[in-house]
Amino acid sequence: IAGITQAPTSQILAAGRRMTLRCTQDMRHNAMYWYRQDLGLGLRLIHYSNTAGTTGKGEVPDGYSVSRANTDDFPLTLASAVPSQTSVYFCASSDSAFDGNQPQHFGDGTRLSIL
Amino acid sequence: GQNIDQPTEMTATEGAIVQINCTYQTSGFNGLFWYQQHAGEAPTFLSYNVLDGLEEKGRFSSFLSRSKGYSYLLLKELQMKDSASYLCAALDSNYQLIWGAGTKLIIKP
Repeated sequence: IAGITQAPTSQILAAGRRMTLRCTQDMRHNAMYWYRQDLGLGLRLIHYSNTAGTTGKGEVPDGYSVSRANTDDFPLTLASAVPSQTSVYFCASSDSAFDGNQPQHFGDGTRLSIL
Repeated sequence: GQNIDQPTEMTATEGAIVQINCTYQTSGFNGLFWYQQHAGEAPTFLSYNVLDGLEEKGRFSSFLSRSKGYSYLLLKELQMKDSASYLCAALDSNYQLIWGAGTKLIIKP
């Protein structure tokens, strides 16, 4: 089934540890995004990639890094996790970053708890 | 600054009609999206408006007024499965989505 796969589904992590959230899409979409969703707040963009080989910073990039080595994969890394990074993380993709007629499609999310 | 406002929670009765409002302030504007999100699940796309007016898609319709910075999502013939959060998001001049916090819709029998 075509779509976006995120892994792991959930994770409990000790503060200070390094963690990579994986995201893979098989729709050959050019653009990919990482969001965090916290209770009472809208989705907030962490990093994005308009096309393979390029990345950009979103609204809340501090403490996170991404890479886009190919079209399909867009991993998000927390270099040294802190409790404020406890959240639900969603990966999304769209065929084009610059066409509103191409909506973003979301993965099922990763629930991350930092203790 | 950029901002999206929508009610936190609404309650409606099965079979009825409900209108969820959204106002936005963004630097530039390239369209307005509505997404549905069931508890514990991913957001799923419902509608996109870039021109003024009403777009109808089955039981769901979405309206946009660019001059007023205003949109609404209209849900008709409500079903219990429509219980979910509805997210409003505006596409700004950099083609980044600015998201509202979502409106939790509770449907009562």
